Amino acid sequence: QLVLTQSPSASASLGASVKLTCTLSSGHSSYAIAWHQQQPEKGPRYLMKVNSDGSHNKGDGIPERFSGSSSGAERYLTISSLQSEDEADYYCQTWGPGTACVFGTGTKVTVL
Amino acid sequence: EVQLVESGGGLVQPGGSLRLSCAASGFTFSSYWMAWVRQAPGKGLEWVANMNQDGSDKYYVDSVKGRFTISRDNAKNSLYLQMHSLRAEDTAVYYCATLVVVGATTPYYFDFWGQGTLVTVFS
Repeated sequence: QLVLTQSPSASASLGASVKLTCTLSSGHSSYAIAWHQQQPEKGPRYLMKVNSDGSHNKGDGIPERFSGSSSGAERYLTISSLQSEDEADYYCQTWGPGTACVFGTGTKVTVL
Repeated sequence: EVQLVESGGGLVQPGGSLRLSCAASGFTFSSYWMAWVRQAPGKGLEWVANMNQDGSDKYYVDSVKGRFTISRDNAKNSLYLQMHSLRAEDTAVYYCATLVVVGATTPYYFDFWGQGTLVTVFS
């Protein structure tokens, strides 16, 4: 069964960097995933797709300080030069075999 | 600019029905797969349903099969979700989203989202 695992929370100081991890379950390490940001009281926003080789494709208007990478079954989202508006929930998402969409449980990022 | 605007949410009793709408603009609606995703209060995101451009392929999460129907009107640039036999566990904000596919038929990821409409099922 395809499962995406995320840490519940992460924090970093204003201007620092934070790296979020999304781990694909066993047997699914070749899957690409997408990262979505959800600011408080707003709808989600697509950030980028991250492939198994670490390449990534960002959505329109996504700042340069957002980047993606991969290692094995892990997919990463790095936010550099953290801003106050980056305080949000971040979800990874992919599509499993057949017709099953899978979301991670989300990581809440706090800007200190 | 891509815009997705949901409407039709509200309060409904268990067993009741509701029809959600999503008005799309800023892109060629008829060329896109579309989807509904929901978020229960304080919880994460859950995919509900998706469909292809002409409505010939529709998929649902198991918990809504037989109760919810996704549909679209390409002439009106609109997506719909007809919900019947509503339960307390259907209480959520419902988001409309565009869906990128691979090879014309394999769903991949959501690339544009609406702001959502709240459905509350209460007794």
